[in-house]
Amino acid sequence: ETGVTQSPTHLIKTRGQQVTLRCSSQSGHNTVSWYQQALGQGPQFIFQYYREEENGRGNFPPRFSGLQFPNYSSELNVNALELDDSALYLCASSLSGSPGELFFGEGSRLTVL
Amino acid sequence: AQKVTQAQTEISVVEKEDVTLDCVYETRDTTYYLFWYKQPPSGELVFLIRRNSFDEQNEISGRYSWNFQKSTSSFNFTITASQVVDSAVYFCALSEAFGNEKLTFGTGTRLTIIP
Repeated sequence: ETGVTQSPTHLIKTRGQQVTLRCSSQSGHNTVSWYQQALGQGPQFIFQYYREEENGRGNFPPRFSGLQFPNYSSELNVNALELDDSALYLCASSLSGSPGELFFGEGSRLTVL
Repeated sequence: AQKVTQAQTEISVVEKEDVTLDCVYETRDTTYYLFWYKQPPSGELVFLIRRNSFDEQNEISGRYSWNFQKSTSSFNFTITASQVVDSAVYFCALSEAFGNEKLTFGTGTRLTIIP
């Protein structure tokens, strides 16, 4: 186990709704990244937070937003859900100085109907 | 732009056979990192290895070995004497060496080890 926990594990929403996904980082990790993984595809980078500031963003629209809290836990918010947002959302924590060595949670599987 | 190609979508081998997973990458950066991750059915990706673009030495860790060839932009992964527990989806990934830790993943290779 990586020590990264995500909630909820599964959820179903309808088009146009909003969703919030949560992530608790591994103890001591100050960086959190979010990835979207569509079925049968590799994870796609959404954004990264370092010490509560966004530190990089992938090719996702502004309706994907996030937060990192002082305890380094994080939230991913998606507004105006679309059918194509159906995917596994993965949170990963890491320690600056150990590039790319990410510790992933088991993900939140979002289904948009 | 960075790109990672894993041409093998699915591979099945009988237990104890050796298997090689291919990875080809594209980047304009002169300094970068390459990675392999394993995704078991539970979903969480597990870090296996990081390789700096300056270090072309092959690496062996138990039954796992990695062959990095900058000349062909490849970073292949070999499992020796495969075991059923090796069954998973394996992803190759690439990141720039500086700045944020955005990883660009390939589409993965689903490896099934047949007992």
